[in-house]
Amino acid sequence: SQTIHQWPATLVQPVGSPLSLECTVEGTSNPNLYWYRQAAGRGLQLLFYSVGIGQISSEVPQNLSASRPQDRQFILSSKKLLLSDSGFYLCAWKSRVEAFFGQGTRLTVV
Amino acid sequence: KQEVTQIPAALSVPEGENLVLNCSFTDSAIYNLQWFRQDPGKGLTSLLLIQSSQREQTSGRLNASLDKSSGRSTLYIAASQPGDSATYLCAVANDYKLSFGAGTTVTVRA
Repeated sequence: SQTIHQWPATLVQPVGSPLSLECTVEGTSNPNLYWYRQAAGRGLQLLFYSVGIGQISSEVPQNLSASRPQDRQFILSSKKLLLSDSGFYLCAWKSRVEAFFGQGTRLTVV
Repeated sequence: KQEVTQIPAALSVPEGENLVLNCSFTDSAIYNLQWFRQDPGKGLTSLLLIQSSQREQTSGRLNASLDKSSGRSTLYIAASQPGDSATYLCAVANDYKLSFGAGTTVTVRA
């Protein structure tokens, strides 16, 4: 069966520090991969999606970037975090039909 | 751009009452619609998936309907239980993208 791993679960980082969140998928090949951010009391905002290795589409201009170095690995990065980057980050993969989510990373920038 | 709206934003009911959660979307050219459950601080759990060609989907006490032409979906939860307390999100798939509503937070009182 397919599983999705996302880590770390929580992270507290100072302003100006770098960020790297990792997501890996097992049990499927060539998945569509997604990074979402959820602000408190709000819906999910799509940040990046990828339909293949090295193929990244950005939905909103921001302080973040994404990379897909392997078929089932999706990484969210920042060179310098801002306070506004705080939030709940979710990785997801989508088959041709259904979407599945990781458990999320709670990022607090202080 | 797909816009997804969920009404109401919050709902509190006594145990045993039926729940009705609404989702509306602006672009009817969808592939499918998915309902998710989110517990506080956790990732999303898929509840039901309705393909664009379907009118409804059922799983246990849950039933979801889809009226693509009017851009609406409704999630019904029969005989609510305190364990049903969570935030429920609907997501609409267009091409590669999933667009989310802000969710309905449900509290079931024992």
